[in-house]
Amino acid sequence: GQSLEQPSEVTAVEGAIVQINCTYQTSGFYGLSWYQQHDGGAPTFLSYNALDGLEETGRFSSFLSRSDSYGYLLLQELQMKDSASYFCAVRDIHRGSTLGRLYFGRGTQLTVWP
Amino acid sequence: EAGVAQSPRYKIIEKRQSVAFWCNPISGHATLYWYQQILGQGPKLLIQFQNNGVVDDSQLPKDRFSAERLKGVDSTLKIQPAKLEDSAVYLCASSRGGPEANYGYTFGSGTRLTVV
Repeated sequence: GQSLEQPSEVTAVEGAIVQINCTYQTSGFYGLSWYQQHDGGAPTFLSYNALDGLEETGRFSSFLSRSDSYGYLLLQELQMKDSASYFCAVRDIHRGSTLGRLYFGRGTQLTVWP
Repeated sequence: EAGVAQSPRYKIIEKRQSVAFWCNPISGHATLYWYQQILGQGPKLLIQFQNNGVVDDSQLPKDRFSAERLKGVDSTLKIQPAKLEDSAVYLCASSRGGPEANYGYTFGSGTRLTVV
């Protein structure tokens, strides 16, 4: 099976930097994704890591260590609009298929204060 | 490109009633997913289609849930009969499938189901 652990909530002030950690266990592994979801909204894709290292996309960066089954999302120059839930998700290898499946963690609620 | 369309946006039913949700994925996306998101939790995969075939339905409660994707485009998810614990947001997502799916699923806004 699959399991993902991430903090339930994080708070920070505007302009700060915050890191949301994710540890995972899965029987097969393609990669680690991050999604953002505002209250009442749809999850939206932020980033994907298949290989070890850091991927940077604007103010957001994502890191993966496959040997440690660990990743994080780094949000810089926080803005009020970044207040949302952030989900890590593992893409596993599905028996008999090249598609894999995406499993989500329980999410981290980020609150950004002025 | 147009996003993933879902309807209805909200639905309130009594327990033991039936309900159906509809999803129209992004044009050209071969893979379609239904997720259930209970308040305060992450989305949970219910079923995955590749074109009109089921790839994975291992987490679909088949005694009460059913889904189909006729002609490999639109999809419907049905619950019959509904239970109180089915109260959740039902999200539909689509992707091109294959390695491209790694670079993001596109989710619809979901249907918020309340069972009373």
